[in-house]
Amino acid sequence: DGGITQSPKYLFRKEGQNVTLSCEQNLNHDAMYWYRQDPGQGLRLIYYSQIVNDFQKGDIAEGYSVSREKKESFPLTVTSAQKNPTAFYLCASSSFRGADTQYFGPGTRLTVL
Amino acid sequence: KNQVEQSPQSLIILEGKNCTLQCNYTVSPFSNLRWYKQDTGRGPVSLTIMTFSENTKSNGRYTATLDADTKQSSLHITASQLSDSASYICVVTPGGNTGTASKLTFGTGTRLQVTL
Repeated sequence: DGGITQSPKYLFRKEGQNVTLSCEQNLNHDAMYWYRQDPGQGLRLIYYSQIVNDFQKGDIAEGYSVSREKKESFPLTVTSAQKNPTAFYLCASSSFRGADTQYFGPGTRLTVL
Repeated sequence: KNQVEQSPQSLIILEGKNCTLQCNYTVSPFSNLRWYKQDTGRGPVSLTIMTFSENTKSNGRYTATLDADTKQSSLHITASQLSDSASYICVVTPGGNTGTASKLTFGTGTRLQVTL
């Protein structure tokens, strides 16, 4: 898991609620990413940020929002607009160079009740 | 469309045996290929990374091979241990400059179970 922490490990949400997943890294990495993992599918990119105060949509950004106010932190908010939010969410970071290895956090499992 | 396909989907082997996992990709141009190990309920951990000019890379009992001409890679696990039980994910980075970090293509993984 390296120097990336995610919290909480498990999260339960009622329909219609927004929830925020935390991701912190102490690797001094410029780039951070959020992925969603569903059974039988490869990881899908939600949002990524290559520098503080800047972020870009990934392939499945609808219903999600992020912020990057600090280099170390990249929280993900799952909004009520996300129709199927139950999944395993992974945060990752890498140095600014795009081809570098991404280091992943331990993940957060979100379940909608 | 860039794709990464892995086979088999799942595999069960006895402890101490060897196994080989396959990864075929269509990503072009190609920069590098990584193999990750993901324990259940945990984040993936990098095992190996290979550029197009590398044919093989080892990490302990894990040996990855790459044939950039046929766009195939394999991960060979020698003398398997119970702790090898995990999902193994193949990830391909396309060539180019800006935004490559956002364009990784992930395979769906091979789930390996090592039993006594």
